[in-house]
Amino acid sequence: GQNIDQPTEMTATEGAIVQINCTYQTSGFNGLFWYQQHAGEAPTFLSYNVLDGLEEKGRFSSFLSRSKGYSYLLLKELQMKDSASYLCAVRDSNYQLIWGAGTKLIIKP
Amino acid sequence: DAMVIQNPRYQVTQFGKPVTLSCSQTLNHNVMYWYQQKSSQAPKLLFHYYDKDFNNEADTPDNFQSRRPNTSFCFLDIRSPGLGDAAMYLCATSRDGIAGGGQETQYFGPGTRLLVL
Repeated sequence: GQNIDQPTEMTATEGAIVQINCTYQTSGFNGLFWYQQHAGEAPTFLSYNVLDGLEEKGRFSSFLSRSKGYSYLLLKELQMKDSASYLCAVRDSNYQLIWGAGTKLIIKP
Repeated sequence: DAMVIQNPRYQVTQFGKPVTLSCSQTLNHNVMYWYQQKSSQAPKLLFHYYDKDFNNEADTPDNFQSRRPNTSFCFLDIRSPGLGDAAMYLCATSRDGIAGGGQETQYFGPGTRLLVL
């Protein structure tokens, strides 16, 4: 079967750095996506990785290792508004998007 | 601004009473998707259209149907809503469904939260 694993919940402090991990087992790989979802709202696209390495976008960075089936989302200089769920999704060989259940990130002052 | 629009944002219906949710997009994307998402769960794909080519996910209940009359609009029909159908319904679009390079990135509308009484 196909599977995306993320921690259910994480807590971090305002101004700090947090790393949210995602491991996947899918039939093939055609890209990995990270989305942010605030409570009661729709997911918002954050990043896309298809090759190994780090993609940086302002305070957010995403890393991919295809050989390890592993990605992480790194959030720097955390702000209270970063409190949200972060969803990892992988496109498989059939171009289907397989979603993780998301990691709920709680930011404390 | 180019965007994905869903109406209404909140929909209350009665058990067994048909309901239609709507989605429109100004992104001129080829692909449109309907997802169901329940609290603290991953979005579950119900249908997607590549242009007018309809694709039904294998485990989508028969109670759900969809229409895409043109590039810009897509509808989700729930013929006889049950209590288990209460959820957030998300519409998304992507420029392409197969091509890589980020063209398959999905952009979501704000969602419609369905309540079944």
